[in-house]
Amino acid sequence: GQQLNQSPQSMFIQEGEDVSMNCTSSSIFNTWLWYKQDPGEGPVLLIALYKAGELTSNGRLTAQFGITRKDSFLNISASIPSDVGIYFCAGNSGNTPLVFGKGTRLSVIA
Amino acid sequence: ETGVTQTPRHLVMGMTNKKSLKCEQHLGHNAMYWYKQSAKKPLELMFVYNFKEQTENNSVPSRFSPECPNSSHLFLHLHTLQPEDSALYLCASSPGTGVYYGYTFGSGTRLTVV
Repeated sequence: GQQLNQSPQSMFIQEGEDVSMNCTSSSIFNTWLWYKQDPGEGPVLLIALYKAGELTSNGRLTAQFGITRKDSFLNISASIPSDVGIYFCAGNSGNTPLVFGKGTRLSVIA
Repeated sequence: ETGVTQTPRHLVMGMTNKKSLKCEQHLGHNAMYWYKQSAKKPLELMFVYNFKEQTENNSVPSRFSPECPNSSHLFLHLHTLQPEDSALYLCASSPGTGVYYGYTFGSGTRLTVV
């Protein structure tokens, strides 16, 4: 089945630093999504990407759909304490259910 | 509040108990999902329902029994669970099952099997 490799698994950064994380797939995807999960809550959709090469921003967050359609990147600029949480990539092709990465746990040191 | 409500938020049950998890959405979505989230593992898809019909069962043991009486409600009936079934169970919904739909998740039920 489809698998997603998400890296890094965890990050410890200083407040104000920029963050980058990425996800690669073993197969071509038609959709890439990025979610954030706060402690004790379900994942919340941050950015959705539907086209190879697409670059989309949501405030300080920017995500890109890789041109090979097998990868995606999420960048967070000027991190703040409330950015703490677990970030998941997800994707699918055809009408298959979303496949999720294992997540990147972000810790921000004030 | 995301529009997908899960109850209870926490559940502790013995291995011989029978309990049910409930999920409700009033977003007008037609597809609903159960996911299992364990520590250090990806979100694992369990079941998919589209227009009340089960369209996917991801090799889930029969001690988990889903029920979807209508497009707004989804249940997960539990019986004779094992300690390794302890996890966060997440419900999600989407307008349909096509590629262009992101999922809206509930806050989850934290299940502990003792």
